[in-house]
Formats: sequence, structure tokens, C-alpha cells
Amino acid sequence: EAGVTQFPSHSVIEKGQTVTLRCDPISGHDNLYWYRRVMGKEIKFLLHFVKESKQDESGMPNNRFLAERTGGTYSTLKVQPAELEDSGVYFCASSPLIWAGGDTQYFGPGTRLTVL
Amino acid sequence: AQSVTQLDSQVPVFEEAPVELRCNYSSSVSVYLFWYVQYPNQGLQLLLKYLSGSTLVKGINGFEAEFNKSQTSFHLRKPSVHISDTAEYFCAVSAGNQFYFGTGTSLTVIP
Repeated sequence: EAGVTQFPSHSVIEKGQTVTLRCDPISGHDNLYWYRRVMGKEIKFLLHFVKESKQDESGMPNNRFLAERTGGTYSTLKVQPAELEDSGVYFCASSPLIWAGGDTQYFGPGTRLTVL
Repeated sequence: AQSVTQLDSQVPVFEEAPVELRCNYSSSVSVYLFWYVQYPNQGLQLLLKYLSGSTLVKGINGFEAEFNKSQTSFHLRKPSVHISDTAEYFCAVSAGNQFYFGTGTSLTVIP
């Protein structure tokens, strides 16, 4: 069974440019999550999809970030325009069950975003 | 509100020595506790989790953790580490639909 995949693995862009990150969850997983880790700090929750619907986007930093999940399969996270403080590692995770607080989330390898 | 503290950002240890990675949490509600490991260039992998029942939880690769409610701790231990255990370790609590992570502990096993 393929794990969670993320593309690209690395992205270097100039301030003001647009970047789109993609996440493919494990097949059949209805729950999809985005997290971000700024260097040296904790991994922080950004948002949660159940199928194609946003269940919780309370962690999204501001309106420069837009997440979508077309057809309840893969998800994209777009940053437009990118700022220096957006640099970090963006993780995607998925889980198969209705979230009951104890479900394991399966993480992808992350996308390392550097904004210059 | 939930928070997780991993007191040690870096832990060097000699091969075959024991190791303990510390994790303390605070929460106003009941939580579930997790330890994840990230090997270089890989995603986070679940080591073990505590949901309920026995406070001593055994995970993969010989790791175990003990839930201590009175001390709000969930320390990770291994009696004898191997070179391949070199990685970053994250403690997390879940409440509702979110995971709250600590800042991570980088374990380096020295030959």
C-alpha cells in the first residue's frame, strides 16, 4: 500500500511568487490534514478535510493560504503571494476513520518551502 | 488549550546505552498521546500511542513509553539504542481533530 506522498519535496521561490503544494493521501482515507513546521519550532496544525469539505481551518495563518481537495482525493495548498515567514516544512497526513481522537494519522515526507 | 513540551532538543547517546526522551503535556480535557519518529528524508512514522488502559505502552523498534497522569508526562524509553535509531522524535497529544506537537528531540546515537 502506497503511503502519503507530497510534491514537490523542495521548493525555493522569491517573495511575492506563488507556490502550490500537492498531497496525495493513502487511498480510501477520508481525512486529510495539513501541518507546518517552521524551523526549530513545533509542527502546527493548519487544516483538516473530511472528503472534499473543510472540517476545520482554524490553523490557517492568513488569507494568502488556500487549500482545496478536489473530489475528496488529492489536496493542494497554495500560497499566494509568498512571504519570508512562510518558509518551513509542510506536512500532509491522512487517516481512514471518522476522527475520534485516537486515530493514527499517517504522514507524508513533507515539502520544504524556502522563500527568499 | 493543549500544549506539549519536549525539554531536550538534542540528545546524544552512545550505542547500546539506554535513552529516555522526555515529554510533558498540559490539557484541560482528556487526551490521547503519541510518539512519532522522523528518519532523514522520510515522513513521520508512528512509534506508539496511548489511548487508555495500561500506562506502559510498547511500540515498534523496542521503544516503550509510560503515561503518568499525575505528572502529565509521557516519556519515551529504550533500554539499548542502535545507530539506526538516530532520528528526530516528536511527542504529540490529540484532542478533537487536531494533533498538538512538541518541538521535537533530535537523537544522535554515537558509535
